[in-house]
Amino acid sequence: NAGVTQTPKFRILKIGQSMTLQCTQDMNHNYMYWYRQDPGMGLKLIYYSVGAGITDKGEVPNGYNVSRSTTEDFPLRLELAAPSQTSVYFCASSTAGTSDSRDTQYFGPGTRLTVL
Amino acid sequence: AQSVTQLDSQVPVFEEAPVELRCNYSSSVSVYLFWYVQYPNQGLQLLLKYLSGSTLVKGINGFEAEFNKSQTSFHLRKPSVHISDTAEYFCAVTHPSGGYQKVTFGTGTKLQVIP
Repeated sequence: NAGVTQTPKFRILKIGQSMTLQCTQDMNHNYMYWYRQDPGMGLKLIYYSVGAGITDKGEVPNGYNVSRSTTEDFPLRLELAAPSQTSVYFCASSTAGTSDSRDTQYFGPGTRLTVL
Repeated sequence: AQSVTQLDSQVPVFEEAPVELRCNYSSSVSVYLFWYVQYPNQGLQLLLKYLSGSTLVKGINGFEAEFNKSQTSFHLRKPSVHISDTAEYFCAVTHPSGGYQKVTFGTGTKLQVIP
């Protein structure tokens, strides 16, 4: 059981380039999230998904896109990278229901992205 | 709307001393409360959570937190810290529901344990 995995771990992009951050979870969780973490700012929600085929915007969605074609995968797409998107990106997942793990978010190790 | 305030951005403490990391929340409805820990270059992991029942919640690594509804607080405590507790700690709040509810995270408190 690997939990939440993210690739790549690090990436440097030039302004205007595009890339996809990959996220996969093997816990059969309904909910998945993308956050960005900037120093002193905590975590900001970019997009979230409540199940395959259903996504919605979070607090800071501009410049990003997501899709959720399977329960396991939730990729985040940056179309035209800008320096303001330099950040650490975390993917997370959680489950509903009545289990003890309900509402707990499980995080991946993060992707450190620099846009120059 | 819900919010979380972590007033202390950094807390230095000597090894084996007690520590309290403060968290206050704002919400017009009942809440679930969480503390997450982030070790350097890693993702967040759950330390403890309050959903209902006893207001004193015990978590991993000897940490505990007390839910105080009248003071809208959920402070994190440890009686004796270790070097390995050096990390950033995030308080978070959400609402009980049968479906998705947004989780709001605080801005984090960096705990620095001094040998």
